[in-house]
Amino acid sequence: QKEVEQNSGPLSVPEGAIASLNCTYSDRGSQSFFWYRQYSGKSPELIMSIYSNGDKEDGRFTAQLNKASQYVSLLIRDSQPSDSATYLCAVNPPDYKLSFGAGTTVTVRA
Amino acid sequence: KAGVTQTPRYLIKTRGQQVTLSCSPISGHRSVSWYQQTPGQGLQFLFEYFSETQRNKGNFPGRFSGRQFSNSRSEMNVSTLELGDSALYLCASSLASDTYEQYFGPGTRLTVT
Repeated sequence: QKEVEQNSGPLSVPEGAIASLNCTYSDRGSQSFFWYRQYSGKSPELIMSIYSNGDKEDGRFTAQLNKASQYVSLLIRDSQPSDSATYLCAVNPPDYKLSFGAGTTVTVRA
Repeated sequence: KAGVTQTPRYLIKTRGQQVTLSCSPISGHRSVSWYQQTPGQGLQFLFEYFSETQRNKGNFPGRFSGRQFSNSRSEMNVSTLELGDSALYLCASSLASDTYEQYFGPGTRLTVT
């Protein structure tokens, strides 16, 4: 079982819609959870971090964490063409190593 | 505040050679992690250094090694290069607090021919 799994893409959404990205993780001891955005040919960029159960909102992004279900998600509201990228879920188990999912590629259609 | 810098940005080597990549973390960050990214395997953890000590290592052969200097700058070395080592090598730095928010550099694109 992979440490971090993301819903397979690609995900295509119309401009202005909500993009929903999901991620599950295997280590119950994980304490920190992150979402990175990676544009083609660029390095990952940290867009959200979440540490406790519930929702965390930052602009058009909302991260949701449910530790009991070992599940973390990212919602992108009012999706824009500039949101077209690969989104990587990262989980920090208590061993100093950040584990990444394979990523979900999002395409926002104008 | 300046971001993470990596040098060189692009590198072409032949099989059997060795290579050294350099990473300068964000000022004040004491932890440096290295990752290999390929289309087939995604982002894979290589190793993490904090205060010149390797705290964790991924599942890579011993040809991959690294070190960290007292100013937190880090280098990674790959010896006896193989074609499969062609990848984007990413360095990320963090404060090394409990949060582990890591910030990536632009990467070094290594091509092995």
